[in-house]
Amino acid sequence: GAVVSQHPSWVICKSGTSVKIECRSLDFQATTMFWYRQFPKQSLMLMATSNEGSKATYEQGVEKDKFLINHASLTLSTLTVTSAHPEDSSFYICSAPGQGKDYGYTFGSGTRLTVV
Amino acid sequence: AQSVAQPEDQVNVAEGNPLTVKCTYSVSGNPYLFWYVQYPNRGLQFLLKYITGDNLVKGSYGFEAEFNKSQTSFHLKKPSALVSDSALYFCAVSSPPSGGSYIPTFGRGTSLIVHP
Repeated sequence: GAVVSQHPSWVICKSGTSVKIECRSLDFQATTMFWYRQFPKQSLMLMATSNEGSKATYEQGVEKDKFLINHASLTLSTLTVTSAHPEDSSFYICSAPGQGKDYGYTFGSGTRLTVV
Repeated sequence: AQSVAQPEDQVNVAEGNPLTVKCTYSVSGNPYLFWYVQYPNRGLQFLLKYITGDNLVKGSYGFEAEFNKSQTSFHLKKPSALVSDSALYFCAVSSPPSGGSYIPTFGRGTSLIVHP
């Protein structure tokens, strides 16, 4: 089945630095990737939708300059948290829509970001 | 706009007993409905989906869900709970895709705790 590989699983960074999170579709081409943020014991908050070869679509309230999303190829989408601060600490998950008649969604394993 | 309600933050059940995790939805047109499970610090894993066809859908790990159009519900069930079923469960809804992508809406999640 479709697999989305997300790296890193855990990252600790200093306040003010930038962190890049990668999501790769391993056995299919993901023209679209959804990026979510999840707070403890809460649901997934859609941050943005990335589309290969075009600018990402951000949800209301999400800072475009802080959360840079790039979808440079059909198998790779990246989220860069720029000038990270402790309030950016969270669990970030990517997801790609299913293929053909699957209509499901394949999720990455998530990235736990801690900013100290 | 589409929405999903999971009215219970937590469901407690004894091992061996049947379990139900509730979900109701609101969407324009025909719904695509999904259940996902999330273990701590992991991405979401697909359990089952309803697109069309039989109202009773069987999925992974012995779970099933019943689509009820009149009640706009898609409750998740399992005849006999296992301790290993303890996790966070998310219901999601989307509409038939247009333009090649479709964005799901997730419920806030229900924590299932199965007691030995």
